[in-house]
Amino acid sequence: DVKVTQSSRYLVKRTGEKVFLECVQDMDHENMFWYRQDPGLGLRLIYFSYDVKMKEKGDIPEGYSVSREKKERFSLILESASTNQTSMYLCASSPPDRSTDTQYFGPGTRLTVL
Amino acid sequence: AQKITQTQPGMFVQEKEAVTLDCTYDTSDPSYGLFWYKQPSSGEMIFLIYQGSYDQQNATEGRYSLNFQKARKSANLVISASQLGDSAMYFCAMRGMNTGFQKLVFGTGTRLLVSP
Repeated sequence: DVKVTQSSRYLVKRTGEKVFLECVQDMDHENMFWYRQDPGLGLRLIYFSYDVKMKEKGDIPEGYSVSREKKERFSLILESASTNQTSMYLCASSPPDRSTDTQYFGPGTRLTVL
Repeated sequence: AQKITQTQPGMFVQEKEAVTLDCTYDTSDPSYGLFWYKQPSSGEMIFLIYQGSYDQQNATEGRYSLNFQKARKSANLVISASQLGDSAMYFCAMRGMNTGFQKLVFGTGTRLLVSP
């Protein structure tokens, strides 16, 4: 079974802190993704990566950066957390680009910024 | 650009009855895939079913089936014989050829509540 793990289920940070959200997948997938999920808005793509050290902006990259130094690990960084970044963050991974392949999701990190 | 529309914020169904969750999509891609995911209160997204744009038959996976009407650009999820454990958020999503099949675009979701 594909397994995608995220470093924390719940996280509470203060405004201005630097926040790292870690995601690890064990299926040697090339593609990895970070989404945020907000009520009434569904899932929105923040960044994705199709290979080590490669990244592309998604639909809402402002205020975020990412790092992919190893194939299995994809990190989301909030350089200076703000209250409007309070949200559920979901990581996902998928094999190379075929329309039939689903993305496999981690359990999510619920981040609260005070 | 691709867009997914789920017009039902919430749906109620009694146990053992069937329920249809609506999904319409908009895309200019000639080739695309449609997905449904379930998200229980625990938060993880669970893949349910997939339909390819060129598939001749509607997809089925156990109690889940996808009513795919290409001309209407709709991909409704049908859950037969609902169970209490089906209570969750359900998301429709698509990915297309023009984005290299990499990115999924999601709808806003439908919350399903199954009552005894």
